Amino acid sequence: GIQVEQSPPDLILQEGANSTLRCNFSDSVNNLQWFHQNPWGQLINLFYIPSGTKQNGRLSATTVATERYSLLYISSSQTTDSGVYFCAVRSGGSNYKLTFGKGTLLTVNP
Amino acid sequence: EAQVTQNPRYLITVTGKKLTVTCSQNMNHEYMSWYRQDPGLGLRQIYYSMNVEVTDKGDVPEGYKVSRKEKRNFPLILESPSPNQTSLYFCASSFRRTGTVNEKLFFGSGTQLSVL
Repeated sequence: GIQVEQSPPDLILQEGANSTLRCNFSDSVNNLQWFHQNPWGQLINLFYIPSGTKQNGRLSATTVATERYSLLYISSSQTTDSGVYFCAVRSGGSNYKLTFGKGTLLTVNP
Repeated sequence: EAQVTQNPRYLITVTGKKLTVTCSQNMNHEYMSWYRQDPGLGLRQIYYSMNVEVTDKGDVPEGYKVSRKEKRNFPLILESPSPNQTSLYFCASSFRRTGTVNEKLFFGSGTQLSVL
């Protein structure tokens, strides 16, 4: 099946810093999503982005499908950005399974 | 409010005592799925359903059952729970494959299950 690797596994920032999280995948995809799991365990969908670039406030994401990677940018980080960021992908074919990466644990210190 | 509702939020049980975790969504989504989350292993899919009466196994289906008798509900059943099923469980839903942002996956709040 498709492999998903996220980097870095852990990241510690000071409030106000910028960061880039990366998601590499091993096959072509027709579905890629980014999620944020907050410290209380809630999983929030950030982006549906199988290709191209999207922005939502301080967050933006870019997927370069031909090169099999996606990037999540967080600008002017805040303590509320802390948590785990997951990317999930689905490759072509009839199987509707989303495969998740193991996540990046982000800690933003005040 | 559009949401996926899971119950209970926390559950402690003993080995072998059948239990059901309920999941309901109010967004008219065709697709529903169950995941378990374990430290170091990330989110792994247990079962999924493409529509009413259509279910299929995910990566880790052993020890679990599901049913999809109504579009909005997708309960997860553990007929004889064991300690290795202690985990954080999530239900999720979305529209079926459309190639658009309608495929965004929405998660419930999670169920922390402990099997003693």
